[in-house]
Amino acid sequence: EVQLLESGGGLVQPGGSLRLSCAASGFAFTSYAMAWVRQAPGKGLEWVSVIRGSGDSTFYADSVKGRFTISRDHSKNTLHLQMNSLRAEDTAVYYCVREQQLAQFYFDCWGQGTLVTVSS
Amino acid sequence: DVQMTQSPSSLSASVGDRVTITCRASQRISNYVNWYQQKPGKAPQLLIYAASNLHSGVPSRFSGSGSGTDFTLTISSLQPEDFATYYCQQTYSSRTFGQGTKVEI
Repeated sequence: EVQLLESGGGLVQPGGSLRLSCAASGFAFTSYAMAWVRQAPGKGLEWVSVIRGSGDSTFYADSVKGRFTISRDHSKNTLHLQMNSLRAEDTAVYYCVREQQLAQFYFDCWGQGTLVTVSS
Repeated sequence: DVQMTQSPSSLSASVGDRVTITCRASQRISNYVNWYQQKPGKAPQLLIYAASNLHSGVPSRFSGSGSGTDFTLTISSLQPEDFATYYCQQTYSSRTFGQGTKVEI
């Protein structure tokens, strides 16, 4: 069974940093692109970042470019999101997702999410 | 950037109704559209990929169509468990979600 388990969320002050992790199991981790999607309270979904299965390519939404860094650890089947210079508007539930990249791209598996709150 | 405009933002329907949700892209994006369902307090789930392909395990009352700029998600006969929020997503250029459609009783 495919499982994605996020951790690392919490309360952080504006300007602070936080590192999210996602433990993946039940599939060949290195064969899949992985991504982060966030959802502010009461709002819609926003794609944040994606990293290819090999880890050699990363892409970011303009709203987080230069502040967030996505990475993956193949020895631990773990995805990370390093978030720096956090702002109030980064407050959201952050979902770890698996992305299929065959003929089309789509998010076929989602974690349960971890809440990040940026507030003083 | 490709923008995705969903309509309506919300709708009221009854069990057994046929429901259609539309998504319009700001430019032609072939069939690079996916649809997701999200229930309150839960993570989204994939329903349809590549505009018209039903994801494994999704009931056949869900269907998708469209190409170019206009896409639709149809629920042929609404069931109690279908009351949720639905999102379209484009993956033609980066990845963008529509603003969501809440289906209420």
